[in-house]
Amino acid sequence: DTEVTQTPKHLVMGMTNKKSLKCEQHMGHRAMYWYKQKAKKPPELMFVYSYEKLSINESVPSRFSPECPNSSLLNLHLHALQPEDSALYLCASSQEFRGQYNEQFFGPGTRLTVL
Amino acid sequence: AQSVTQPDIHITVSEGASLELRCNYSYGATPYLFWYVQSPGQGLQLLLKYFSGDTLVQGIKGFEAEFKRSQSSFNLRKPSVHWSDAAEYFCAVGPYSGAGSYQLTFGKGTKLSVIP
Repeated sequence: DTEVTQTPKHLVMGMTNKKSLKCEQHMGHRAMYWYKQKAKKPPELMFVYSYEKLSINESVPSRFSPECPNSSLLNLHLHALQPEDSALYLCASSQEFRGQYNEQFFGPGTRLTVL
Repeated sequence: AQSVTQPDIHITVSEGASLELRCNYSYGATPYLFWYVQSPGQGLQLLLKYFSGDTLVQGIKGFEAEFKRSQSSFNLRKPSVHWSDAAEYFCAVGPYSGAGSYQLTFGKGTKLSVIP
């Protein structure tokens, strides 16, 4: 299985809602990532988890809360978002092999709309 | 800090014509370089990568790229474009962050349109 899955595919939420995005991989990868991609822009790194520990947080607002409950699962909890947070949220995973990095595998993304 | 420049925002080519997408990077050490492709509303698919060794890298879908250290470039090429190649192409560079993780920086992307 060489796939990263993300649910839901689409999400519409109000500014007072609480919702979560889910990402799953069964490739045995120990690094997982959240990216945010606005329309016609490149992906921007938000968070990196390495061996289930948060290793990089790119100064993301606290209304985004990541969680890595186990090595296969990555969540992004959303609360009190703003309309400007509407974007495609991409999850990715990668694995170290003999001290060498291997490429990141990306999921299809969750299209988030904040009303 | 690393950075990536893709000078061409939009390129249009005829089906069957050759293609070259440009990528220049800025990075202090030997870079890890990638080309990804993204169809509208979809995730990113890796086309090819360069870590070390042979500077001409072969990828999927008939794409190749050449790493030129002296020019800080990693241009993507394809000898004959197919209509299905129309998409957004991103060049990326990233250092190894340790413990199996990586910190990619993407270029702004080049949109490829293909004329039948």
